[in-house]
Amino acid sequence: AQTVTQSQPEMSVQEAETVTLSCTYDTSESDYYLFWYKQPPSRQMILVIRQEAYKQQNATENRFSVNFQKAAKSFSLKISDSQLGDAAMYFCAYRRGNTGNQFYFGTGTSLTVIP
Amino acid sequence: DTEVTQTPKHLVMGMTNKKSLKCEQHMGHRAMYWYKQKAKKPPELMFVYSYEKLSINESVPSRFSPECPNSSLLNLHLHALQPEDSALYLCASSPRRSTGLSGETQYFGPGTRLLVL
Repeated sequence: AQTVTQSQPEMSVQEAETVTLSCTYDTSESDYYLFWYKQPPSRQMILVIRQEAYKQQNATENRFSVNFQKAAKSFSLKISDSQLGDAAMYFCAYRRGNTGNQFYFGTGTSLTVIP
Repeated sequence: DTEVTQTPKHLVMGMTNKKSLKCEQHMGHRAMYWYKQKAKKPPELMFVYSYEKLSINESVPSRFSPECPNSSLLNLHLHALQPEDSALYLCASSPRRSTGLSGETQYFGPGTRLLVL
């Protein structure tokens, strides 16, 4: 069974600084996808960034980037130039390749941005 | 357009009521999901429909009954719920197969916040 672990229940960062959220996963598959989702308080869960396991290049989306270490089964999210609007729960998620519908979520990291 | 809509936004019901939650997507996605989410916790998978057929049922009590009338619509029928069923109910959809950069990604609706009294 696939498991996703987020070892940091809570993190805080000063506005304009950089923060890294960690995620590790366990799988025996070679083809899979990894995601970071953001859920602000009482608001919708939205996709932040997505990584295909077969791609060696780390995904980036503006201020958000990942450090994907396939051998170590690690998938951390780096947020640069943190903004107040980045405050949210962040969930790491895993999905098997073409044969899988099910997503596996980590327990989440609550990020606070300090003005 | 990556929109999943859910109605109602909020629902308060008694333990003897019958109500339904509705979810719609018009992105041509062929997999649709129901999740239950408690505060500060990850979503818990309840049901998955693939090509309008129930493909995953995570041992959900029978007081929750899903229905997928067509490829764009997903309902969750509620009957005789318990107070512990109070939660945010999320609907999501995803393409069944990779379709470019958005392939395999799951898109969430805003959720229905349910309170059972």
